[in-house]
Amino acid sequence: SQTIHQWPATLVQPVGSPLSLECTVEGTSNPNLYWYRQAAGRGLQLLFYSVGIGQISSEVPQNLSASRPQDRQFILSSKKLLLSDSGFYLCAWTGQSNSPLHFGNGTRLTVT
Amino acid sequence: SQQGEEDPQALSIQEGENATMNCSYKTSINNLQWYRQNSGRGLVHLILIRSNEREKHSGRLRVTLDTSKKSSSLLITASRAADTASYFCATDAGANNLFFGTGTRLTVIP
Repeated sequence: SQTIHQWPATLVQPVGSPLSLECTVEGTSNPNLYWYRQAAGRGLQLLFYSVGIGQISSEVPQNLSASRPQDRQFILSSKKLLLSDSGFYLCAWTGQSNSPLHFGNGTRLTVT
Repeated sequence: SQQGEEDPQALSIQEGENATMNCSYKTSINNLQWYRQNSGRGLVHLILIRSNEREKHSGRLRVTLDTSKKSSSLLITASRAADTASYFCATDAGANNLFFGTGTRLTVIP
């Protein structure tokens, strides 16, 4: 069966520090991968999605970047965190378009 | 924006009652999906309804879709305390994107 792993679960980082969040999927190949951010009490904002290795689409220009170095690995990064980067970051995958998303358990990022 | 909007923002009911949540959206869609999120966790997919479908059932869940009104509803029958969570609708208009609403926070009181 397919599983998605996302880590760390929580992270507290100072302003200006770098960020690296990792997401991996098991049990499937060539998934579509997604990074979402959820602000407190809000809906989900799509940040990046990828349909293949090295293919990244950015939905919102901002202080973050994403990379897909391997088929089932999706990384969210920042060189210098801002206070506004705080939030709940969710990784998700789907096998094909028009199919449901499968989410990881999220990373709670607090920038201080 | 294609983003769905749920209504109400918060709903509190007694165990055993039915809970109804509504979702409105703005553009044409391929399908509409409902997700559930327990506090501090990822979202879990509940049900998908395609644009050519009007109603779908899954266990105690019933979803309707009215594409002429660009709206959908999620009904949870015979609610349980374990149904306490936030519920989100998400619209799929293609292009590998799902647009999520801001959610309805459901509290089921035992």
